[in-house]
Amino acid sequence: AQSVAQPEDQVNVAEGNPLTVKCTYSVSGNPYLFWYVQYPNRGLQFLLKYITGDNLVKGSYGFEAEFNKSQTSFHLKKPSALVSDSALYFCAVRDISNTGTASKLTFGTGTRLQVTL
Amino acid sequence: DTGVSQDPRHKITKRGQNVTFRCDPISEHNRLYWYRQTLGQGPEFLTYFQNEAQLEKSRLLSDRFSAERPKGSFSTLEIQRTEQGDSAMYLCASSLWTGDNQPQHFGDGTRLSIL
Repeated sequence: AQSVAQPEDQVNVAEGNPLTVKCTYSVSGNPYLFWYVQYPNRGLQFLLKYITGDNLVKGSYGFEAEFNKSQTSFHLKKPSALVSDSALYFCAVRDISNTGTASKLTFGTGTRLQVTL
Repeated sequence: DTGVSQDPRHKITKRGQNVTFRCDPISEHNRLYWYRQTLGQGPEFLTYFQNEAQLEKSRLLSDRFSAERPKGSFSTLEIQRTEQGDSAMYLCASSLWTGDNQPQHFGDGTRLSIL
């Protein structure tokens, strides 16, 4: 079975400082990994994905994520946080070696990012 | 690209009533997914379609739930004899199948409240 852990319910950071939102995953085979952001009363917006290749993935709004196979992690990062980045962030995984559930995304419980002035 | 559209945005109903939600995916997307999200949790997979074929259903999808995508375009999710535990945000997503590496694009969801 595939699973995702987001160990922090909330991350607080001052505007202009770097931010990291943590994600670890568990799959039996090789993962496809995704980050989504959710604003209040809205659906999820795609930020970035890791499929293969370079371990550092760049996405929308200045976000990037680093895939670490040995630590089974896919942490989301941004060099300089903005107040407008405050939202709920979800990490998701798909186990591409499991053809029976190949399209199913499994999400973490989310991390609330609060950026203050 | 007009995005994934869901209707209604909010639905309040009494326990025991039937409800139906609609999802219109991004026009060229051949895969359509339904998820359920409860407060403080991430979305949980319910079911997905490729064109009009329903290819997978989660154990979360009890007999009271049925989803259709009759012409491979829009989809409906019906819940019969609603229960308190059905209160949640129901999210629809779509993607273009090119080997499973494409992201799913989500609508803004239908929030269901059971009185």
